[in-house]
Amino acid sequence: EVQLVESGGGLVQSGGSLRLSCVASGFTFSDYFMEWVRQVPGKGLEWVGLIRKKGDSYTTEYAASVKGRFTISRDDSKNSLFLQMTSLKAEDTAVYYCGRDNYYKYDCWGQGTLVTVSS
Amino acid sequence: QSALTQPPSASGSPGQSVAISCTGTSSDVGTSNYVSWYQQHPGKAPRLMIYDVDKRPSGVPDRFSGSKSGNTASLTVSGLQAEDEADYYCSSFTGSKNRVFGGGTKLTVL
Repeated sequence: EVQLVESGGGLVQSGGSLRLSCVASGFTFSDYFMEWVRQVPGKGLEWVGLIRKKGDSYTTEYAASVKGRFTISRDDSKNSLFLQMTSLKAEDTAVYYCGRDNYYKYDCWGQGTLVTVSS
Repeated sequence: QSALTQPPSASGSPGQSVAISCTGTSSDVGTSNYVSWYQQHPGKAPRLMIYDVDKRPSGVPDRFSGSKSGNTASLTVSGLQAEDEADYYCSSFTGSKNRVFGGGTKLTVL
């Protein structure tokens, strides 16, 4: 079964840092771009960023709202995706989902992990 | 990158058809063959319903269909059923190598 499981969410103070993880199973993780998408409770989905695979030099792209503060990385040997978040703001409060990018479509999503930034 | 524009709500009676629009620009929807649609029930992760404008993943009922004209993509749900009541989001690849989502549409089955 194709599965993604996020962890690492929690309560953090404004200006603080947090690292989210996403562990994949049931597919060859290294073959796919992987992405982060967030959702403020009761609001819509917002693309956060992506990391390409080894063949594309693990290059990354970020939404303007997080560029310079968030860093996406991956460890293919551990089937893991990471989101390092720094200089957190109240508006970063959201459920963070990891998603498998299968040629520009998210065909697998994790269950999400809630990040709450207190001001 | 601005979010794609969707109507906040849509509704229909069981058995009817309803269409949800997703309007972007010539930098995303207008020039992308990679428009997808997602269904999200409360408290759940999104589910892929349509990809590449009009393709359906296995397991998605053929009541769901997608199309695109110019800068606007559409999701049509035919033969509405109670379980179709959910939030729906469109997404597009953009020319700047990013992705963008619509603001979401809450579909109510009357």
